[in-house]
Amino acid sequence: DTVMTQSPVSLPVTPGEPASISCRSSQSLLYNNGANYLDWYVQKPGQSPQLLIYLTSIRASGVPDRFSGSGSGTDFTLEISRVEAEDVGVYYCMQGTHIPRTFGQGTRLHIK
Amino acid sequence: EVKVVESGGGLIQPGRSLRLSCITSGFTFRDYAMTWFRQAPGKGLEWISHISSKDYGEAKEYATSVKGRFTVSRDDSKSITYLQMNNLKSEDTAVYFCARSIDRDSADYWGQGTLVSVSS
Repeated sequence: DTVMTQSPVSLPVTPGEPASISCRSSQSLLYNNGANYLDWYVQKPGQSPQLLIYLTSIRASGVPDRFSGSGSGTDFTLEISRVEAEDVGVYYCMQGTHIPRTFGQGTRLHIK
Repeated sequence: EVKVVESGGGLIQPGRSLRLSCITSGFTFRDYAMTWFRQAPGKGLEWISHISSKDYGEAKEYATSVKGRFTVSRDDSKSITYLQMNNLKSEDTAVYFCARSIDRDSADYWGQGTLVSVSS
């Protein structure tokens, strides 16, 4: 199985400041069509997960443009340009290139 | 408005079976793959199964942890997907989520989840 490793595990952030989460895969996520199937989800307290980013860098419908995704191959990053209080939650990356799909262990973003 | 609602969870003894349902509305169900995930108490997310649309042959995939025990299916006439879970184990205890998938299990609409507790 493809192992997904996120860092950091815990991310304290001051509102208004940027934040960055890294996700690394144990094998390349480059599919034979040239796409890297890497998603980012956030699970806010008491809620179901919600899709933020898919295909590495495409924001899902309704996601603010302060969220951006980048990367290729085995190294991917989620960036939040200016964290807001409502961004608190656990962030997960998930790879969709290989079966089985696999998630990172999660990064808990919290306010300082 | 897209809606995804799971049902069928509950307390079940090890070795028994349970069928989860995922009722959807607000989109053309037959055009989408559907995916099941789960989250054990206090743990992270786990992908467990996928069924593609009829256009893609209703292909089914499973996580290693459930292969041979769980079966995913869909009824396009009712906009429902099912997860038949047999020979349940204590490690299957989790909240089970169903989601609409837009591209290789990128899940853009999730249900609220249904709790399955496997215990004697």
